[in-house]
Amino acid sequence: AQSVTQLGSHVSVSEGALVLLRCNYSSSVPPYLFWYVQYPNQGLQLLLKYTSAATLVKGINGFEAEFKKSETSFHLTKPSAHMSDAAEYFCAVSDAGGTSYGKLTFGQGTILTVHP
Amino acid sequence: KAGVTQTPRYLIKTRGQQVTLSCSPISGHRSVSWYQQTPGQGLQFLFEYFSETQRNKGNFPGRFSGRQFSNSRSEMNVSTLELGDSALYLCASSLAGGSSYEQYFGPGTRLTVT
Repeated sequence: AQSVTQLGSHVSVSEGALVLLRCNYSSSVPPYLFWYVQYPNQGLQLLLKYTSAATLVKGINGFEAEFKKSETSFHLTKPSAHMSDAAEYFCAVSDAGGTSYGKLTFGQGTILTVHP
Repeated sequence: KAGVTQTPRYLIKTRGQQVTLSCSPISGHRSVSWYQQTPGQGLQFLFEYFSETQRNKGNFPGRFSGRQFSNSRSEMNVSTLELGDSALYLCASSLAGGSSYEQYFGPGTRLTVT
């Protein structure tokens, strides 16, 4: 069974600083990986996804993530944080080629705080 | 295109009652998944429906059930509510529900059980 670990339940950065949110996955088969963002009292918004086409994935709002098979990681980065990036971020995995239809397995989430 | 809609947005119920939540997927999407989000357990998969058939189910008791209609709209039902069922219930739609398909989430229904 697949699983996701997000290192750090809270990350705090200054506006303009680099954002790095860590995600490690465990999967018995090549995975599909996703990053979602959740603003207060809202659903989840897809930031980006990895489906093996390229190891560096660019998403919306200036975010990108790099898939590293040797490290089983899929860390999310943004070069310069903006106040509007403050939210909770979730890494998720689904099994490629499996029959686990419609199921995403999520990490516990990382709350990003951005200080002025 | 309109996004995923969920109704109602907020619900307050009493222990022992039952509740039905509704989800309308993005037009053209045939797969609907449901998730429960709580502070303690995080986001957990409930079940997935495609073409009116449940294809996948998470590890939840039988009190949690769902269905999908021919227009892909989906409902989930929780019977004999318990305090621990208080949560944000999210539905997500995708084109076909396969592993590579993105899921698009609705705003959720906040259920409070008293």
